[in-house]
Amino acid sequence: ETGVTQTPRHLVMGMTNKKSLKCEQHLGHNAMYWYKQSAKKPLELMFVYNFKEQTENNSVPSRFSPECPNSSHLFLHLHTLQPEDSALYLCASSLNPTVDYSNQPQHFGDGTRLSIL
Amino acid sequence: QKEVEQNSGPLSVPEGAIASLNCTYSDRVSQSFFWYRQYSGKSPELIMSIYSNGDKEDGRFTAQLNKASQYVSLLIRDSQPSDSATYLCAVIGDKIIFGKGTRLHILP
Repeated sequence: ETGVTQTPRHLVMGMTNKKSLKCEQHLGHNAMYWYKQSAKKPLELMFVYNFKEQTENNSVPSRFSPECPNSSHLFLHLHTLQPEDSALYLCASSLNPTVDYSNQPQHFGDGTRLSIL
Repeated sequence: QKEVEQNSGPLSVPEGAIASLNCTYSDRVSQSFFWYRQYSGKSPELIMSIYSNGDKEDGRFTAQLNKASQYVSLLIRDSQPSDSATYLCAVIGDKIIFGKGTRLHILP
């Protein structure tokens, strides 16, 4: 496999459920990202991991819990979500952004379409 | 609040014509600029990056950057129906910020 792979592609869950999204990258990158994409809104960066360490959390509610066991895998654990959390969740990876993100374009997975009932 | 602005469109362009997509940004210290193409139901795909003022050409695509005016544009020459997609502008300063995207529709 190549690129960035996300599973599942679609997920429907109730507000009291617990589920996890998975992302795997085969590009040899060091940094991984979670984004949320809602209709008519820009891509929102949620979390950044660089060499397995979380380097950015953009005020994301605690009902979203990321996990990065190694540079190739990234998870997003979900619990007690709200209807407004329904969106496309995209994972991306890049080479080490070092001090900032300059010159390190991100490569995206196909996303998980999440619907909260 | 740092922002990236794009006209949401849809922008309709006849096949074979030049499509011009624009993006403005508010953070003067932004250093890196990317254009992504996103087909409906698909993930964003990087098509161009630009880091210094001026033009950068890659095939039918030309990215233009003017840091003084804080805008970056993407020109698509000889537009094809397969270019119909949403184009996202991403600007990187101390963090990455995406615009909402411009929907481009190439008319056959």
